[in-house]
Amino acid sequence: AQSVSQHNHHVILSEAASLELGCNYSYGGTVNLFWYVQYPGQHLQLLLKYFSGDPLVKGIKGFEAEFIKSKFSFNLRKPSVQWSDTAEYFCAVSHSSYKLIFGSGTRLLVRP
Amino acid sequence: KAGVTQTPRYLIKTRGQQVTLSCSPISGHRSVSWYQQTPGQGLQFLFEYFSETQRNKGNFPGRFSGRQFSNSRSEMNVSTLELGDSALYLCASSLLATSDTGELFFGEGSRLTVL
Repeated sequence: AQSVSQHNHHVILSEAASLELGCNYSYGGTVNLFWYVQYPGQHLQLLLKYFSGDPLVKGIKGFEAEFIKSKFSFNLRKPSVQWSDTAEYFCAVSHSSYKLIFGSGTRLLVRP
Repeated sequence: KAGVTQTPRYLIKTRGQQVTLSCSPISGHRSVSWYQQTPGQGLQFLFEYFSETQRNKGNFPGRFSGRQFSNSRSEMNVSTLELGDSALYLCASSLLATSDTGELFFGEGSRLTVL
């Protein structure tokens, strides 16, 4: 069965530190990849997505993610985090005729 | 443009009861998906409806059911509630079927507590 793994469940960083959150998926065919974010007290919202083309995709608020097909990975990155980036981040995968599967999430705490 | 609206936002039930949750998608969106969110499990897919038809179903027991109406509004029902059903139930809508775009717009959820 298709699955999504987020290995870091909790991450604590200081402001201006660099961020990389890991995401690996198990499906071997063509996939669509997403990162969603849930800020405290808010609903889930799309951060960025990859369907095809350039494997390095840029999203909102300075986030980017790189799709590495050979590693079945879609890691999220940000060069310099801010306190306002404190949130829970979810990686998600879908492919044709299949539902959107989410990882278990990574809680990021950015200390001012 | 109004977002995804879920009602009720909070509810408390006791074991054995049943509950119905409602979701109004963004105007024009034809797909509605339901997820169960718990601290340890993250988001677990329940089902997806597109144009009143269930397109996908997750690995939940038959106590969990749903439907979609002609105006795209959706309801999910959980019968014979168990303590483990306590969770945040999220509804998400998309313009096309989820498998075609994957971009979901989420509501704020209905938080169910089962005592």
